[in-house]
Amino acid sequence: QQQVKQSPQSLIVQKGGISIINCAYENTAFDYFPWYQQFPGKGPALLIAIRPDVSEKKEGRFTISFNKSAKQFSLHIMDSQPGDSATYFCAASRRGSTLGRLYFGRGTQLTVWP
Amino acid sequence: NAGVTQTPKFQVLKTGQSMTLQCAQDMNHNSMYWYRQDPGMGLRLIYYSASEGTTDKGEVPNGYNVSRLNKREFSLRLESAAPSQTSVYFCASSFEDRAGNTIYFGEGSWLTVV
Repeated sequence: QQQVKQSPQSLIVQKGGISIINCAYENTAFDYFPWYQQFPGKGPALLIAIRPDVSEKKEGRFTISFNKSAKQFSLHIMDSQPGDSATYFCAASRRGSTLGRLYFGRGTQLTVWP
Repeated sequence: NAGVTQTPKFQVLKTGQSMTLQCAQDMNHNSMYWYRQDPGMGLRLIYYSASEGTTDKGEVPNGYNVSRLNKREFSLRLESAAPSQTSVYFCASSFEDRAGNTIYFGEGSWLTVV
């Protein structure tokens, strides 16, 4: 059973536009929601993360919006740039669990056209 | 600071051959992981190790074995490679703080089984 569902699978955005990627989860015990960014030929790297005690977190052009009641969270990339073209993974975990392991979504391949 | 280093980066195997993927981290992390990444399937956990001397199965452990040699090293072995094991393999390590569990990935190992 997939713990975290991510959509869309692929996304094409024009330079300067807003990219939005959505994720949903079922396990209400999850309390840590990171986003990872992966460039071709590289390993994923932490981009931004949020805890459920806040509804929004912003770092530069990247914003996570979190809706606890709906069990959904999303990544917004403002003023999207060609350099943002990458695969994005959302994830969820429960802090303090045996391993704190992350459950990943299946990824969204973002292409930003110049 | 090398972070997570995995070798080899590319490998072609014949069906039935065996091989070991090596991984080492220099961040003094307790937890280490092996993931595989396939198109449209995201990152799937093969095995993980919460600490030196312990290993546990993830989502897709069949056909693999692991060894946590010491705190730094975590190897993944394919005893009898199958074409279904053609994939990109990522080693990772993590630490957990007040924010959550941050995973650091290696650069990946591209494995083709023919």
